[in-house]
Amino acid sequence: EAEVAQSPRYKITEKSQAVAFWCDPISGHATLYWYRQILGQGPELLVQFQDESVVDDSQLPKDRFSAERLKGVDSTLKIQPAELGDSAMYLCASSPRWGRRTEAFFGQGTRLTVV
Amino acid sequence: DQQVKQNSPSLSVQEGRISILNCDYTNSMFDYFLWYKKYPAEGPTFLISISSIKDKNEDGRFTVFLNKSAKHLSLHIVPSQPGDSAVYFCAAGPAGGTSYGKLTFGQGTILTVHP
Repeated sequence: EAEVAQSPRYKITEKSQAVAFWCDPISGHATLYWYRQILGQGPELLVQFQDESVVDDSQLPKDRFSAERLKGVDSTLKIQPAELGDSAMYLCASSPRWGRRTEAFFGQGTRLTVV
Repeated sequence: DQQVKQNSPSLSVQEGRISILNCDYTNSMFDYFLWYKKYPAEGPTFLISISSIKDKNEDGRFTVFLNKSAKHLSLHIVPSQPGDSAVYFCAAGPAGGTSYGKLTFGQGTILTVHP
């Protein structure tokens, strides 16, 4: 069964350091999402790609966060510098179609701890 | 502004009985609704969805009901099984525009099914 792959699964980093997460969506899925889930809350969208283009990054803290999907396939989310409040689960998801009602398929996530 | 709310942080039921999880939303522009299930240290898994043109959708033991006038939806699990114990997230998606596919999640409800 096709899955969304994410790495690493767990990451511990010191405050002010840079950290990066990688995501490989399900093959053929044009839309890719990065969500952040803080413990006790639901996932919140950070950025949405359609192919290689960003279609929504309104909730992405652009002073420290960046995301790219250069070839419209896999994607990287970077935080620089990391802050204590960035500790959360970072979830990548993909969906097959643009402009249609469809569910998003999630990866297992990266649990980030900033110390 | 919490546009999707799950007011019950937790629910405990006996195996074999019905589990009812509730969700309220405030944004009339939401066009479709989804339920996800999440185990610890894993990403959310899609369960079932419903379009705003329907009031009920059923898939095996899972049924979702939508009351548009009340802006309320619920997930019924019958019969409940211990393996259903997880966090359940309600999510809503908009009808269109550039943010099509962007899901807004509730805070989640922890379901515990006792043997």
